[in-house]
Amino acid sequence: NAGVTQTPKFQVLKTGQSMTLQCAQDMNHEYMSWYRQDPGMGLRLIHYSVGAGITDQGEVPNGYNVSRSTTEDFPLRLLSAAPSQTSVYFCASSSDYWTNYGYTFGSGTRLTVV
Amino acid sequence: GIQVEQSPPDLILQEGANSTLRCNFSDSVNNLQWFHQNPWGQLINLFYIPSGTKQNGRLSATTVATERYSLLYISSSQTTDSGVYFCAVYGGSQGNLIFGKGTKLSVKP
Repeated sequence: NAGVTQTPKFQVLKTGQSMTLQCAQDMNHEYMSWYRQDPGMGLRLIHYSVGAGITDQGEVPNGYNVSRSTTEDFPLRLLSAAPSQTSVYFCASSSDYWTNYGYTFGSGTRLTVV
Repeated sequence: GIQVEQSPPDLILQEGANSTLRCNFSDSVNNLQWFHQNPWGQLINLFYIPSGTKQNGRLSATTVATERYSLLYISSSQTTDSGVYFCAVYGGSQGNLIFGKGTKLSVKP
């Protein structure tokens, strides 16, 4: 089925460990982004990409890296996990950068850092 | 940056009741979207509505861009309408959507 696929759905990390959250879309969308959702905070942008080879920082980028080697994939790397990174992470894509029309979210990754 | 405020933060309804959710934004925008996050966490795009009125079944939305607000109407609510409703506007500088904090809706049978 067409859409945005995120893996894993759940993850527990120890402080200081690193990991990669995977995101893939099969809609040929140029624009992809990562958000984190925390209670009472809504969704906040971590990093985004407007096409293969182009990435930029969002509102809360510290502690995260991204790369975009293909149109389909946009992985998010946690370099050294901290308890403050406990959150639900959403990847999203859109065909239109200027309006984000047709914004589609993945099902989320619930990350706990202990 | 643009501020997005939603009200009310929480809403409890009896099944069959109608409701109106409000979204205010602090600057002119060319894009506004409503999302529903179901109790399992999935975010679903309900409406892309930078201006005017749209309807989809029991849901409808109206955006008055000149007065910087949007309304989401839910008629004859059902328990499956429960969840959190987010309003989001296009922030421009980072190509991202800026989200409000949401309205948590609970529909009781």
